[in-house]
Amino acid sequence: ETGVTQTPRHLVMGMTNKKSLKCEQHLGHNAMYWYKQSAKKPLELMFVYSLEERVENNSVPSRFSPECPNSSHLFLHLHTLQPEDSALYLCASSQDRGVGQPQHFGDGTRLSIL
Amino acid sequence: LAKTTQPISMDSYEGQEVNITCSHNNIATNDYITWYQQFPSQGPRFIIQGYKTKVTNEVASLFIPADRKSSTLSLPRVSLSDTAVYYCLVGARTSGSARQLTFGSGTQLTVLP
Repeated sequence: ETGVTQTPRHLVMGMTNKKSLKCEQHLGHNAMYWYKQSAKKPLELMFVYSLEERVENNSVPSRFSPECPNSSHLFLHLHTLQPEDSALYLCASSQDRGVGQPQHFGDGTRLSIL
Repeated sequence: LAKTTQPISMDSYEGQEVNITCSHNNIATNDYITWYQQFPSQGPRFIIQGYKTKVTNEVASLFIPADRKSSTLSLPRVSLSDTAVYYCLVGARTSGSARQLTFGSGTQLTVLP
């Protein structure tokens, strides 16, 4: 139990669907992150939120839309995805924003685009 | 930016001590060294963090020489369940751009029976 919960664990969707991934952290952390991990590839940072404000968008296509309504919740809204978007999507949190801040990860959502 | 270099893979046998070294030649004064472990289809797990000398917890030890240009993660008496990818990250606790939050390819440790 890492204190970071992601739902759903698995998601299959068509390219025209709209879905959302949810992340919730129970650690009282101020920073939250979305990562993408494709098969056999390193983690790619997508977005960083600090105190509910987006502070990093790592050149992510607009078909991915993050939302952070409060410091405990983070969403990733998906629409018009492509087959190459199939991957493991990981959420993480840390006390504050910083590479040296230990991050706590959820177990991810396995996304498959048909 | 403190770029890190790790071996791509390592093999070991059950019961042995494993040492994984990470090079970070241009580490900055405010940078900490953090190690994570990742099993397939799971998120990375924080293992240990250090700034200098030696840090030990119930899982691993981290050795950092005086010049801090490298660090060594030591796993005592590994078991099959320690087979995973291990990542080394270097950065300050107070800031970090997207380029610094780079896990890289890590080191694939395979523990053999």
